[in-house]
Amino acid sequence: DAGITQSPRHKVTETGTPVTLRCHQTENHRYMYWYRQDPGHGLRLIHYSYGVKDTDKGEVSDGYSVSRSKTEDFLLTLESATSSQTSVYFCAISDGPNTGELFFGEGSRLTVL
Amino acid sequence: GENVEQHPSTLSVQEGDSAVIKCTYSDSASNYFPWYKQELGKRPQLIIDIRSNVGEKKDQRIAVTLNKTAKHFSLHITETQPEDSAVYFCAASIGAGANNLFFGTGTRLTVIP
Repeated sequence: DAGITQSPRHKVTETGTPVTLRCHQTENHRYMYWYRQDPGHGLRLIHYSYGVKDTDKGEVSDGYSVSRSKTEDFLLTLESATSSQTSVYFCAISDGPNTGELFFGEGSRLTVL
Repeated sequence: GENVEQHPSTLSVQEGDSAVIKCTYSDSASNYFPWYKQELGKRPQLIIDIRSNVGEKKDQRIAVTLNKTAKHFSLHITETQPEDSAVYFCAASIGAGANNLFFGTGTRLTVIP
């Protein structure tokens, strides 16, 4: 498996609190992505990064922000968590814009009460 | 953006039988079509992909077919085994970059021993 670790793996929080999920890679891949996975919706792209400090929005970016200060770390922040953000979050990496394959992390299960 | 529909949502087959999962897409400019397999509690992993200049691709017991005119593509698994039980996701993108990758809603395949 590609060297991708997500933390925390499980988190329960309350509505209105800030939450940060971390993705760390050891593959030196340029591209990093955050997806959310929900029943009936498959995988939906939240934000992605194409380099240090270079990020862009995905399909479902409202309520989320990201930061990438180092090649190996990509952070996803929920400034004020809502129950609709209860989901499983997957980080993924790829080594180029045209290489296709995504390598996913193990996922982070977030529950917002 | 692209809209990818996937059917069926659940599929049960007897061990040794074949399984077929179908996807349609909306954007005729899409030219990259990967399939991901996600075992229970695990991360999604790429199992096969196809590009629009190819009509069919095989890898041992799995094959993918693409009909660009009809804008649909299918995953075929022959001689199914219990370890094929998983959720399968199709996806489509314009170019191979994951920032343009849209996933279907998934098919839960159960292979009955």
